[in-house]
Amino acid sequence: DQQVKQNSPSLSVQEGRISILNCDYTNSMFDYFLWYKKYPAEGPTFLISISSIKDKNEDGRFTVFLNKSAKHLSLHIVPSQPGDSAVYFCAASLEYGNKLVFGAGTILRVKS
Amino acid sequence: KAGVTQTPRYLIKTRGQQVTLSCSPISGHRSVSWYQQTPGQGLQFLFEYFSETQRNKGNFPGRFSGRQFSNSRSEMNVSTLELGDSALYLCASSWTGTGTEKLFFGSGTQLSVL
Repeated sequence: DQQVKQNSPSLSVQEGRISILNCDYTNSMFDYFLWYKKYPAEGPTFLISISSIKDKNEDGRFTVFLNKSAKHLSLHIVPSQPGDSAVYFCAASLEYGNKLVFGAGTILRVKS
Repeated sequence: KAGVTQTPRYLIKTRGQQVTLSCSPISGHRSVSWYQQTPGQGLQFLFEYFSETQRNKGNFPGRFSGRQFSNSRSEMNVSTLELGDSALYLCASSWTGTGTEKLFFGSGTQLSVL
């Protein structure tokens, strides 16, 4: 049973446009959400996070939105750059837990 | 500051063999987690160690085991390898391992079981 789902295996976007990556979760106990980015032959790196007490968190070109009633979060990248091309993983956790539950990932390709 | 180091980078084994993977966390980090990445499955949690104690374990068979040493370095062992164990095994470290901390991942060990 996948508790965190990323239903789009891949996304292709033109440079300069917005990239929107989506994530759904089923466990209403999750109270912290993170996005990680992974380049080939490297480990995932932390990108941005959001607590369940917020509905938006922004860091430069990256914004994460959380809709708790829909159990849905999304990552917006504006403007998209070729260097953003990578696999993006959504993850969820319990604030006082000690493990992350990851989605299957979305491959983002930004075309120049 | 050195990152998370995983060795070896690549491993090729045959069914039935066992394998040991190693992880050196970032200096000062006491929590080490292990994840298995397979195509289409994302990262699956294996276990988490803190101060030499396993605090949490994922839904994997007992063939998967791990340990952590007093210097926070960690090893994971897979016995009686199966073809389905072929995957990228990622180690991650953090200060305390709580759910709000960001994890720092190593580059992983790519295990191929023939």
